[in-house]
Amino acid sequence: QLQLQESGPGLVKPSETLSLTCNVSGGSISRNGFYWAWIRQPPGKGLEWIGNIYDSWNIYYNPSLKSRVAISVDTSKNQFSLKLSSVTAADTAVYYCARDTGGSWRWIDSWGQGTLVTVSS
Amino acid sequence: SYVLTQPPSVSVAPGKTARITCGVNNIETKSVHWYQQKPGQAPVLVVYDNSDRPSGIPERFSGSNSGNTATLTIIRVEAGDEADYYCQVWHSSNYHVVFGGGTKLTVL
Repeated sequence: QLQLQESGPGLVKPSETLSLTCNVSGGSISRNGFYWAWIRQPPGKGLEWIGNIYDSWNIYYNPSLKSRVAISVDTSKNQFSLKLSSVTAADTAVYYCARDTGGSWRWIDSWGQGTLVTVSS
Repeated sequence: SYVLTQPPSVSVAPGKTARITCGVNNIETKSVHWYQQKPGQAPVLVVYDNSDRPSGIPERFSGSNSGNTATLTIIRVEAGDEADYYCQVWHSSNYHVVFGGGTKLTVL
């Protein structure tokens, strides 16, 4: 059974870069039709898609975050990563990594448990 | 920007039917998916591709999509159905995943 697990600092200072990694187990991350996504949820608010990746040439970002976001994949470690630069308090959220089914009508069929990242000095 | 509109809240008595809507112009041309999220937990897919259910999701959950509105219907509502529900589409022209704002279902 596929499992996703986020890891990274729970506290990031304003103006610094938030870095998270998602370890995927129970299945290969490599070019099997699935995309790998980052989604966040500020406390008490709704879900916001950050972006997703298929391989190094197929990466898509939420336009509202595009200037600050980078998603990458490391197939040798079966993991993918998120970097969000110049963070502010508005970036405080639970960050989820997830699997996107790909294809014509895409949905999220597997989620990590989420990790809370707080932006504060 | 592409905005999916959901009512902030829906209330229903146990045993009754809850309907949660998700609206945007011509949503029927999209495939709509629904997630249930309970407090402190990750979302769970309950309906995909408008009306299909993943394995393990009760038949009480169903979906439909017509015109400008997609609907998640939960029949014979139970206390355990109390949660936030989100609709989602894939906006293919912009390569974006889009979520609705979420609906809090309260079981009275």
